[in-house]
Amino acid sequence: NAGVTQTPKFQVLKTGQSMTLQCAQDMNHEYMSWYRQDPGMGLRLIHYSVGAGITDQGEVPNGYNVSRSTTEDFPLRLLSAAPSQTSVYFCASSYSEGSYTEAFFGQGTRLTVV
Amino acid sequence: GNSVTQMEGPVTLSEEAFLTINCTYTATGYPSLFWYVQYPGEGLQLLLKATKADDKGSNKGFEATYRKETTSFHLEKGSVQVSDSAVYFCAQRPAAGTALIFGKGTTLSVSS
Repeated sequence: NAGVTQTPKFQVLKTGQSMTLQCAQDMNHEYMSWYRQDPGMGLRLIHYSVGAGITDQGEVPNGYNVSRSTTEDFPLRLLSAAPSQTSVYFCASSYSEGSYTEAFFGQGTRLTVV
Repeated sequence: GNSVTQMEGPVTLSEEAFLTINCTYTATGYPSLFWYVQYPGEGLQLLLKATKADDKGSNKGFEATYRKETTSFHLEKGSVQVSDSAVYFCAQRPAAGTALIFGKGTTLSVSS
């Protein structure tokens, strides 16, 4: 059982480049989300989805796009990378949006924008 | 709004010492509360959770009790080990919301 899989694990981009961070889960979870982790800031929510075809913005959505065409996949797109987007990105999924359900996290993608 | 505040680190302890990491929350309604742990180079793993007032979550010797009257969910362990060195995150999932809200994390370093 793979759980939540993120690719790539590491990435270096030049300012202005675009790229997609991939996230896939095999647990048939409805709810998926993207967070970024920065020193001293904890985890901040970028975007989330409560099911296929439904997405919404989190706390820090600017510069990022998402789509959810299938239950399994929730890619995060950086439209034009900026040094401020250097961070560690985590994808998470959970069974439902109920308050009691835990979230399962991927291993993270460490992105550096130069 | 909903938020989570946890004690700043780093916390440095000797093996077998007692650990407390404080966590308080603000919320509308009654959220579920979680502690996640992140080992070096890895993603977050659920350590324990509590879904209603007075619930005690426990796992791997760690405990935390959901205290509605003090809006707290402090993490404790009676005797830490070097392998407990990690970053610990307190989080809430609001009763009416969908996203986990995290504290800033507390780094624990245990030496032998």
